[in-house]
Amino acid sequence: EDQVTQSPEALRLQEGESSSLNCSYTVSGLRGLFWYRQDPGKGPEFLFTLYSAGEEKEKERLKATLTKKESFLHITAPKPEDSATYLCAVINAGNMLTFGGGTRLMVKP
Amino acid sequence: SQTIHQWPATLVQPVGSPLSLECTVEGTSNPNLYWYRQAAGRGLQLLFYSVGIGQISSEVPQNLSASRPQDRQFILSSKKLLLSDSGFYLCAWSVGREGRPQHFGDGTRLSIL
Repeated sequence: EDQVTQSPEALRLQEGESSSLNCSYTVSGLRGLFWYRQDPGKGPEFLFTLYSAGEEKEKERLKATLTKKESFLHITAPKPEDSATYLCAVINAGNMLTFGGGTRLMVKP
Repeated sequence: SQTIHQWPATLVQPVGSPLSLECTVEGTSNPNLYWYRQAAGRGLQLLFYSVGIGQISSEVPQNLSASRPQDRQFILSSKKLLLSDSGFYLCAWSVGREGRPQHFGDGTRLSIL
């Protein structure tokens, strides 16, 4: 059974204080790892896809990296508008997504 | 560009009443369609997925059902709601080969009284 574990569950940062979110996974036949951002009361918004170990993707203050066992979402100099829940998900050879429980990020001004 | 619509945004229903949630996708053909449920503070649980009209696969046994009457329309139903059916229901779509991301609607918040 595929499993995804995200840590920490919650993270409080001061504006400008960089940090990383972790996503560790076990999956049979990894076909991709996705990061999503979810605002309260909204559906997850797609951020990145990573397909192979060593791959990196960037978007504004966010950078996602992938190894064979985990992925990191690095947030550089975060702003209050980066506050959200960040979800990690893996897709297997059967094209099914398994989500982690998410990290709730709060950035204080 | 592709868009996905879910309605209603919020719904309050009594126990034992029926349910119908609708999801439509625009701007793409023959999408894969998915229904998820997200409990408070927890991850997303896949309920149903469909790779084509009339083709439904169920991931979790329950009193919910899904139908796909048209290529870009996905419906989640129940004949008699339970208290445990409360939650945030999300529809999603994807296209193409395996490994492509799923894109989500804004969900329906369902409260059972």
